[in-house]
Amino acid sequence: EDQVTQSPEALRLQEGESSSLNCSYTVSGLRGLFWYRQDPGKGPEFLFTLYSAGEEKEKERLKATLTKKESFLHITAPKPEDSATYLCAVQAGTGGFKTIFGAGTRLFVKA
Amino acid sequence: DAGVTQSPTHLIKTRGQQVTLRCSPISGHKSVSWYQQVLGQGPQFIFQYYEKEERGRGNFPDRFSARQFPNYSSELNVNALLLGDSALYLCASSPSQGAYGYTFGSGTRLTVV
Repeated sequence: EDQVTQSPEALRLQEGESSSLNCSYTVSGLRGLFWYRQDPGKGPEFLFTLYSAGEEKEKERLKATLTKKESFLHITAPKPEDSATYLCAVQAGTGGFKTIFGAGTRLFVKA
Repeated sequence: DAGVTQSPTHLIKTRGQQVTLRCSPISGHKSVSWYQQVLGQGPQFIFQYYEKEERGRGNFPDRFSARQFPNYSSELNVNALLLGDSALYLCASSPSQGAYGYTFGSGTRLTVV
């Protein structure tokens, strides 16, 4: 069964304290892996798409990497405004076009 | 440019009733997907439509149905509402049915009492 697991569930950091979020996945035929940011009461906001193992993408303080079994979202020198829930999702190549989300990591950055 | 718009923003319904949620995608986007998000969980895939045809369906009962119109807008219908259907319903659009990042709307908060 296709599955996406994110860890940790919650992460508390001091401003400037770099860390990584993990997304492990089990799918048949990965079409793409996505990272989203979600603020309370809003829809997810697209950050990155990764298509194949070894691929990396960066945006400001965020860097996403992909291996055959997991993806990492690295946050360098976070600021309080980076506080949000970060969601990982995969689109599988079987069973039609279905996108499976993980439960997310809630990130809290304290000034 | 207008983003993905959903209506209504909030809705309260009684058990057993039916509800219709509406979504307008970004101009030029031909694919629309629907998700259900319960508090504290990630979105769960319900449907994907592309060029007015259903291209993907999640593990939801037949009480859930959807359609896409010629202008690419979409409706999600839920019949015989249950208390467990209370959730945030999200619509997302993308240019096509490939592995693109979606643009999400702000959702419709449905409460079933």
